[in-house]
Amino acid sequence: RKEVEQDPGPFNVPEGATVAFNCTYSNSASQSFFWYRQDCRKEPKLLMSVYSSGNEDGRFTAQLNRASQYISLLIRDSKLSDSATYLCVVSNTGKLIFGQGTTLQVKP
Amino acid sequence: DGGITQSPKYLFRKEGQNVTLSCEQNLNHDAMYWYRQDPGQGLRLIYYSQIVNDFQKGDIAEGYSVSREKKESFPLTVTSAQKNPTAFYLCASSKGSGLYEQYFGPGTRLTVT
Repeated sequence: RKEVEQDPGPFNVPEGATVAFNCTYSNSASQSFFWYRQDCRKEPKLLMSVYSSGNEDGRFTAQLNRASQYISLLIRDSKLSDSATYLCVVSNTGKLIFGQGTTLQVKP
Repeated sequence: DGGITQSPKYLFRKEGQNVTLSCEQNLNHDAMYWYRQDPGQGLRLIYYSQIVNDFQKGDIAEGYSVSREKKESFPLTVTSAQKNPTAFYLCASSKGSGLYEQYFGPGTRLTVT
């Protein structure tokens, strides 16, 4: 089983749609969780940290479910500029483990 | 402007040559990392350093070497022993290791023919 698993997609959605991604992780001792965004041929950029209580940043909401060992990212009112690959990142034994990413394509 | 710089952006080398990729940060971060990304794949950790003059192997260290003589700098050498060196190389840094978010440089695309 991979340490961090994501559905690679692609998720094709129209502008204005709400879309959700899930990510599962294998190490129940993981303590830090993040979502990164990576545009084509660019470096990953931190989108948001994920806290136990959940957190929201504008149109983006992240949730953590420790019991089921998954984190989620919800994007409301999708924009064309949201098209990117979203990486789920989890801490594990002193390192961050990056998922392979979920690709989102927002269509006009 | 605080950040991480990597140079060059594109690098072309012939097989059998060693090549060194530069990574510099002015964020005053203790930890630095090197990752490799292949098309359609996730990031794989090559080496990381939690403090000056110390570094550890990541998951795919074979064929690579690093040094950490200064806090700001963490160069990566891709040696001729690396079987498949063509890839996108990303350097990152963080305040500490393991639990903290990492910030990435713009990457170096290495092509070896």
